[in-house]
Order: sequence, then C-alpha cells, then structure tokens
Amino acid sequence: SAVISQKPSRDICQRGTSLTIQCQVDSQVTMMFWYRQQPGQSLTLIATANQGSEATYESGFVIDKFPISRPNLTFSTLTVSNMSPEDSSIYLCSGGQNRRETQYFGPGTRLLVL
Amino acid sequence: QKEVEQDPGPLSVPEGAIVSLNCTYSNSAFQYFMWYRQYSRKGPELLMYTYSSGNKEDGRFTAQVDKSSKYISLFIRDSQPSDSATYLCAMILMNRDDKIIFGKGTRLHILP
Repeated sequence: SAVISQKPSRDICQRGTSLTIQCQVDSQVTMMFWYRQQPGQSLTLIATANQGSEATYESGFVIDKFPISRPNLTFSTLTVSNMSPEDSSIYLCSGGQNRRETQYFGPGTRLLVL
Repeated sequence: QKEVEQDPGPLSVPEGAIVSLNCTYSNSAFQYFMWYRQYSRKGPELLMYTYSSGNKEDGRFTAQVDKSSKYISLFIRDSQPSDSATYLCAMILMNRDDKIIFGKGTRLHILP
C-alpha cells in the first residue's frame, strides 16, 4: 500500500491568484494522477503526472491552467493558475503502479476561490 | 447517456440492515469494476475490486457484477454507523488509456 499526503489541506484564495498543491507518496509509485471533485459531481481526472516529462492532460484541461510537475517517483505538484470562483473544488492526487491496479488517494485539498 | 450512472442519495438505513448500492454503465468496454468508500474530508479508499461477472465477498461486503445488464452492486451486511460515507463506483475502460471513470457517489447514512 501507499500513504499519500497533500499540502495544503485547504485554502481560500482570491480571484486571479495561483495556488500550488503538493502531493507526497511514502513509497515510489509508477503513476500519479490529479483529480478534481466538485460537489455533486464525479471524480474527474485532470491529468496524469509523468516523471521527468510533461503531464498528460484530459480533455477540457490545459497545461497553462493546471501546470503539473513530477520531479521523482514520490512527489508531484499541481498549480491552479489565474483562479476564478469556478475553480473552487476539492483537488485530489492519487498514485499506483498502473491504472488497472489499486490507486491510493490523498486526503484532498479544499480550495475556495472568492 | 452518461457513461456511469449512480444515484447520489442520500440513502438512510437503520443499523443492522442490508444496504444495496448500485451503478449502471453504458459502455461494454468497461471490464474492471471497483467500489471506493470516501469519508467526509478524506480521500477515497478502495473497498472492492473485480473484473468478472458474479459475486465477490470480503467480510460484510459483497460486490456483484452483471456484465450482460451493465449493472454493478455493492451489498453491505449488518450495516454499522461507521459505514456512513459516500460510496463511489468506478470502472476501467479496456483500451490503451485504461482510464478510470467514477460514478458520482452515493451518500449513505446508517442510523444508530
């Protein structure tokens, strides 16, 4: 199993600013992912964080808005750029050895944009 | 039609009752099926994982998959207040992306 932590756990931000969320795994994982969970909505995959290369983004998400870094097999960051109230959500990272195996989730970062 | 449909609830049942949670899906390419449990202010945790039709049991939990009807269920026996959480079904498309699609989750309240 893997234990995943996220920082910050929550934040309140002003419109137009950016926030970087950190995700730390206690063991090496091949794959790391970033999700968004909005009230009443299903978990939506934002992107797959690839170690040493550019992240792979899902339809509707772009690098300029959600830049992602993954410098090694245990750490990743997601930045929410130029925030608007519509970005208010819970952002979750997850990790696993491949998509078909168990993914372990972090506790999430609750973001409120005013 | 959404790929995965799940009634958001909330579902309230008395302690000790059998709980039935369900999801339907539209794409027959889904081959791996999972149930996650998510407590308030926590990330989802995997409860059950199966890829074949039929039942899979783990303690008080039973996952059921009916691929012909594109229908999956999670049964919780002898429900406890600690089972109160949101339950998300999830399934994986069998293609090169192996993308996981989640249901919206069903909020479950077990009444003491």
